[in-house]
Amino acid sequence: KQEVTQIPAALSVPEGENLVLNCSFTDSAIYNLQWFRQDPGKGLTSLLLIQSSQREQTSGRLNASLDKSSGRSTLYIAASQPGDSATYLCAVPSDNQGGKLIFGQGTELSVKP
Amino acid sequence: NAGVMQNPRHLVRRRGQEARLRCSPMKGHSHVYWYRQLPEEGLKFMVYLQKENIIDESGMPKERFSAEFPKEGPSILRIQQVVRGDSAAYFCASSPVPGHSSGNTIYFGEGSWLTVV
Repeated sequence: KQEVTQIPAALSVPEGENLVLNCSFTDSAIYNLQWFRQDPGKGLTSLLLIQSSQREQTSGRLNASLDKSSGRSTLYIAASQPGDSATYLCAVPSDNQGGKLIFGQGTELSVKP
Repeated sequence: NAGVMQNPRHLVRRRGQEARLRCSPMKGHSHVYWYRQLPEEGLKFMVYLQKENIIDESGMPKERFSAEFPKEGPSILRIQQVVRGDSAAYFCASSPVPGHSSGNTIYFGEGSWLTVV
């Protein structure tokens, strides 16, 4: 049974720092991995989707990497800003139905001005 | 192109009442998913529907919960005889096609927050 774990559960950094969020999964036979952002009281916004054949994806100050063999993904945020404060979630499909996702518990990020 | 629309955004029900949550997928999307986020827990899959069909309801509680996605109109998640433990955020998501190979991301709505008093 696939399990997704995210560490740390919470992270507080000063503005401008580069930071890394971690996601691990127990079954390496994944089709893809997604990183989402959730603001308080809001829905989820997809940040990056990495297909199983890819090693990384980049969008602006965000870079996500995927190492299937070790069951890990990292989300790198460069030059963090207070507006980056949110909960970051990673998720993998439970099967080939791409919308049935297994989520980690999330990392709550706070970027202090 | 409007996103995934959920309503109501906030709903308060007394124990024993019924809650109906509605979800309109993005235009052109025919696959709908419902998730629940309980306090202090992560997001959990509940049910996957296509028009007029329930494809996978493995995450649905066996009693009191039901879902539908009719030929016309929004998808409905219905909770009968609500209890305090049903208080949670319920998220709907949609995608144009299922499957890992599509490369299509899944789009989430803003959620419906149910409070049972």
